[in-house]
Amino acid sequence: SYVLTQPPSVSVAPGKTAKLTCGGDNLEGKSVHWYKQKAGQAPVLVIYDDIDRPSGISERVSGSKSGDTATLTINSVQAGDEADYFCQVWTVTTDHPGVFGPGTQVTVL
Amino acid sequence: DVQLVESGGGLVQPGGSLRLSCVASGFTFPTYSMNWVRQVPGKGLEWVSYISSRSTSIFYADSVKGRFTISRDNANNSLFLQMNSLRVEDTAMYYCAKDSCTGGVCYTSYFESWGQGTLVTVSS
Repeated sequence: SYVLTQPPSVSVAPGKTAKLTCGGDNLEGKSVHWYKQKAGQAPVLVIYDDIDRPSGISERVSGSKSGDTATLTINSVQAGDEADYFCQVWTVTTDHPGVFGPGTQVTVL
Repeated sequence: DVQLVESGGGLVQPGGSLRLSCVASGFTFPTYSMNWVRQVPGKGLEWVSYISSRSTSIFYADSVKGRFTISRDNANNSLFLQMNSLRVEDTAMYYCAKDSCTGGVCYTSYFESWGQGTLVTVSS
């Protein structure tokens, strides 16, 4: 089955930039989506189709992809950005298409 | 606003059954595919099952295939997950999630909106 990899944790000082990566085989051929989950809350979609931002999501959050690595960038990090972030793809060629990465815990120092 | 409200969770013994429900509002439910996603407390997200808008395409994670059944009632804007032969490792928060796919063949899917979840505990 398809596997996504994410670093378990990232620490960043307020006002700095956080870069979270998501890797997978042939990821350039798949659309990558990102979710933010604060403690005790349901996940929220923050980036879809590699680079698109849903309405209501801060412009400080952006997505990109190069080769087999997708990146979620959070500029001017604030305390409210502290959360777990999960990447996700849909593998249409299998009969169990939903795949999440293991998640990255972002800590604001 | 989109609202998804799950119910039906609780404590069940290993080998038992539960039926989860999700009532949707704020969007045209019959148009959208839907999913169940679960999360063991303190752990990551695990996609569980998908159902297309007209129930013509259904998929399951290998971990639940043959034990769980997803279904929907478009007339009543409801999504269901029948869970049989439950195991301790099925203990998790179960989320109902609105898919991005609106009929036809979708080459990608993501989860636009999520409910608050219902907790399933499998323990003797």
